[in-house]
Amino acid sequence: DIQMTQSPSSLSASVGDRVTITCRASQSISRYLNWYQQKPGKAPKLLIYAASSLQSGVPSRFSGSGSGTDFTLSISSLQPEDFATYYCQQSNSSPYTFGQGTKLEIK
Amino acid sequence: QVQVVESGGGVVQPGRSLRLSCAASEFTFSAYTMHWVRQAPGKGLEWVAVVSYNGNSKYYADSVKGRFTISRDNSKNTLYLQMNRLRAEDTAVYYCARQWLLPEIAFDIWGQGTKVTVS
Repeated sequence: DIQMTQSPSSLSASVGDRVTITCRASQSISRYLNWYQQKPGKAPKLLIYAASSLQSGVPSRFSGSGSGTDFTLSISSLQPEDFATYYCQQSNSSPYTFGQGTKLEIK
Repeated sequence: QVQVVESGGGVVQPGRSLRLSCAASEFTFSAYTMHWVRQAPGKGLEWVAVVSYNGNSKYYADSVKGRFTISRDNSKNTLYLQMNRLRAEDTAVYYCARQWLLPEIAFDIWGQGTKVTVS
């Protein structure tokens, strides 16, 4: 199985900051990498697919990059509604494993 | 609107069984591959199982293989997860999720989840 490792596990930032979350795969997954946002008590929401493609309706301050084993999710100017937990997921092969999550908190 | 709604969760004793359902609406359910994903209390997301659009292909996480069975009834627009020989570590919120039709696999529609407690 492909293991996904996110860093950091938690992150404190302020409104307006730029933040970057990293996701590393245990083997190459080409660009088959998705990012989800989850708020407490809610279902995950797809933000980015295929490493860098923005899901419809997602604000352009979110961006993704990477290929192979190393990927990043960036938020250019944090808004209050962005404070949540973010998960990467590889979709290269079953089982479609998730990273352990990165909790983004308000500083 | 396009949605999936899970049901069937509850409190169950270890070793017993439970069947979860996921009702789909406002989309052509029979065209989509469907997944179950779970989240233990305070933990991250764990992919559980997948079934192809026609029910012919199924895959499972090693943690549930041999105990859980995913199935679907396209005439009823419903996805199921039969969970047998439940363990404490199966305690989680279970989400059903739709895999969209693009070549790059991603889960675009999620339900609100149904909580399963094994105790």
